[in-house]
Amino acid sequence: GAGVSQSPRYKVAKRGQDVALRCDPISGHVSLFWYQQALGQGPEFLTYFQNEAQLDKSGLPSDRFFAERPEGSVSTLKIQRTQQEDSAVYLCASSLAVLGATSYEQYFGPGTRLTVT
Amino acid sequence: SQELEQSPQSLIVQEGKNLTINCTSSKTLYGLYWYKQKYGEGLIFLMMLQKGGEEKSHEKITAKLDEKKQQSSLHITASQPSHAGIYLCGAHLWGFNKFYFGSGTKLNVKP
Repeated sequence: GAGVSQSPRYKVAKRGQDVALRCDPISGHVSLFWYQQALGQGPEFLTYFQNEAQLDKSGLPSDRFFAERPEGSVSTLKIQRTQQEDSAVYLCASSLAVLGATSYEQYFGPGTRLTVT
Repeated sequence: SQELEQSPQSLIVQEGKNLTINCTSSKTLYGLYWYKQKYGEGLIFLMMLQKGGEEKSHEKITAKLDEKKQQSSLHITASQPSHAGIYLCGAHLWGFNKFYFGSGTKLNVKP
């Protein structure tokens, strides 16, 4: 079956440009996470959605970062006025269960590699 | 993240050797997860541990969660080149609505 998909897979943006990264979770999945992964590091939490509700956005690095999931399925991570330090792989993960459930298991997309020049 | 400390950072072993990767949390774990990542790809779920003392195995990979639920180890028996990649521990911590990851262990298995 279809897994989590992300688009675009690669994005090159000039400093100051706005970008939008898309995540298509597995159909019916309640939970959705966004992570930022710098080269050689583990993923860093950005934000967590349960259906359309954004339960935690404390990991967003600045107010230039904004995420939404208006209908509880597809999610978009938007970065305004991109800076070089935004260069990273952005990973999306979804789960059928809510965070904390004993059956909780995340499925990851392939990521979007953002390079800001 | 600072909440999860993973060691070693990198590991090179000869094919057939055993190895262990450790993950220590600064806070009480609600669930501890192990993932594998290949360069340029997403994370692949290996196993999840929730109860203190729990141990799970999949093929030649065994993961344990200690009784106090703040430390986990991943053990690979008779390593093969196919085991090469980056191993990441991840955790849901009590009282937090987020998910944390360690910095990863890069494993290289020499044929």
